[in-house]
Amino acid sequence: TQLLEQSPQFLSIQEGENLTVYCNSSSVFSSLQWYRQEPGEGPVLLVTVVTGGEVKKLKRLTFQFGDARKDSSLHITAAQPGDTGLYLCAGAPLQDDYKLSFGAGTTVTVRA
Amino acid sequence: DAGITQSPRHKVTETGTPVTLRCHQTENHRYMYWYRQDPGHGLRLIHYSYGVKDTDKGEVSDGYSVSRSKTEDFLLTLESATSSQTSVYFCAISEYLGDTEAFFGQGTRLTVV
Repeated sequence: TQLLEQSPQFLSIQEGENLTVYCNSSSVFSSLQWYRQEPGEGPVLLVTVVTGGEVKKLKRLTFQFGDARKDSSLHITAAQPGDTGLYLCAGAPLQDDYKLSFGAGTTVTVRA
Repeated sequence: DAGITQSPRHKVTETGTPVTLRCHQTENHRYMYWYRQDPGHGLRLIHYSYGVKDTDKGEVSDGYSVSRSKTEDFLLTLESATSSQTSVYFCAISEYLGDTEAFFGQGTRLTVV
């Protein structure tokens, strides 16, 4: 079983629609990170959320960290074809803070 | 972009042969990681290093060994490659412990036939 469970696994939407990706765990994290990966490339960090209940915005992307620091979400408003990619959440649990673990990822496809 | 170079980028090898993948960094970061990425599993940690000659196992370490003789180089060795080790391998570096930004290489696609 994965330490971080992401849902949905795949998401295909029309340009202009909104979408939300979820990342859940039974473990507590000091922080969670969201990465985006394009085909043939390594993941690239989008944001790190640190405080329980924190909300961070990056243009049309909104990231939320759960109050209990066990879950996070990524919301994209008015998605564009350029948002297409694999979105990965990652974090190191408090009991193993040297092991950065990743969720299985959500493949997002935005159709023009 | 962080200075991380993985070599080779692509490799096809036969079952039972040894294979070594190299990760080279120019950032002088202390922590280095090897991950494998497979469909439906995301990135899984194989081994990591927290300094020269200091390494430890990740969640999928069976069949793999690592070495770090210099800060800038982290080697991943498959002692006797198996078809289940066909995957894309990523090296990552970070300046601090795991819960901080990691910078990734471009990956090595390994096929074991």
